[in-house]
Amino acid sequence: QVQLLQSGAEVKKPGSSVKVSCKASGGTFSNYSISWVRQVPGQGLEWMGEIIPLYVTPNYAQRFQDRVAITADESTSTVHMELSSLTSEDTALYFCARWGSPYCSGDCPGYFQHWGQGTLVTVTS
Amino acid sequence: NVMLTQPHSVSGSPGMTITISCTRSSGSIASNYVQWYQKRPGSSPITVIYEDDQRPSGVPDRFSGSVDISSNSASLTISGLETEDEAEYYCQSFDRSHGMFGGGTRVTVL
Repeated sequence: QVQLLQSGAEVKKPGSSVKVSCKASGGTFSNYSISWVRQVPGQGLEWMGEIIPLYVTPNYAQRFQDRVAITADESTSTVHMELSSLTSEDTALYFCARWGSPYCSGDCPGYFQHWGQGTLVTVTS
Repeated sequence: NVMLTQPHSVSGSPGMTITISCTRSSGSIASNYVQWYQKRPGSSPITVIYEDDQRPSGVPDRFSGSVDISSNSASLTISGLETEDEAEYYCQSFDRSHGMFGGGTRVTVL
């Protein structure tokens, strides 16, 4: 049974950075894409980027490309998402989600089969 | 940028059938599979349809999905509407390996 356990809530000041983690258990870690998806209060779901740990190189949404970094630590089966230059508009619930098929995501069948519980990031002065 | 457009809200009485559309702004809707997720406040999303029209195990067969190439859109249909179906629903697909979600549709059961 695959489970994704995310780190706890964070409160950050504008201009700072936040790093959220997503620890996977059950199943194979390296072969599956893990994406980060956020939901700003009152708004919809937004895809931020992904990484397949085996391939190392992440894939970012254009609007976050300059200030997001997604990394994977195979020794702890954990994926990290760091978002920098925070503003109040980054206050959101952040989810990690694992794609259901190995070695791919958008260019293959499947879906976001497993989700973390969400991490609330609050940006306030 | 390619976008997926959904109606803001859809409502129906218990037992009714409702349909939520998801229109792709450019590129063919058939170029990547479409998924549908149910989202309740404070909870993680749940997949109700994947690969256009497939239902994960455990999802009632009241949920069905389809794609219409002529309108470049996907649809989620919920038949026999139940109070527990009240939630937000998001379509999701990819464009050149970048994920994207529709803006979400609030389903209200009257």
